[in-house]
Amino acid sequence: AQSVSQHNHHVILSEAASLELGCNYSYGGTVNLFWYVQYPGQHLQLLLKYFSGDPLVKGIKGFEAEFIKSKFSFNLRKPSVQWSDTAEYFCAVRGPNDYKLSFGAGTTVTVRA
Amino acid sequence: NAGVMQNPRHLVRRRGQEARLRCSPMKGHSHVYWYRQLPEEGLKFMVYLQKENIIDESGMPKERFSAEFPKEGPSILRIQQVVRGDSAAYFCASSASGFDEQFFGPGTRLTVL
Repeated sequence: AQSVSQHNHHVILSEAASLELGCNYSYGGTVNLFWYVQYPGQHLQLLLKYFSGDPLVKGIKGFEAEFIKSKFSFNLRKPSVQWSDTAEYFCAVRGPNDYKLSFGAGTTVTVRA
Repeated sequence: NAGVMQNPRHLVRRRGQEARLRCSPMKGHSHVYWYRQLPEEGLKFMVYLQKENIIDESGMPKERFSAEFPKEGPSILRIQQVVRGDSAAYFCASSASGFDEQFFGPGTRLTVL
């Protein structure tokens, strides 16, 4: 079974600071990787996904993530955060022929103006 | 372009009562997934349904929980004789096929008193 670990439970930043959220997974084979974001009071939205190819993935709203296969990691980054990036961020994994997503516990990001 | 709809958004029940959670998938989607998020944990897969069929209910507790996705109308997650441990956020997602991107609803937060 897959498991996903997100290193930080709560991150507090000032605007313009850089953000990096860690995500590690345990799964022996090929994986599809996802980062979702949930803004306060809203539904989960897909930020970006990795299936294959270039391990550096660009997503929406200036986010990017890097897949490092040797480290079983898929860390999310943004060079300069805004107040509107305050949200909960979830890393998720699934096998390429699977439909079930396995989620990390989430990281709450608070950006102070 | 309506997304995945869930209602109610918040539901309060007393121990022993029944809870019914509804999910209307995105237009054109016939695959529905239910996930549960317990406090301080990530979303956990519960059940995967297609119209009128349960495909995978491996994540559903064996007792008191049931799900359906009728030919007409929303998908329903039903919890009978609720207990305090059922308090959680329940998320529904839908997709056009089993391996497509899953689009999530805003969740239903169930509180059992």
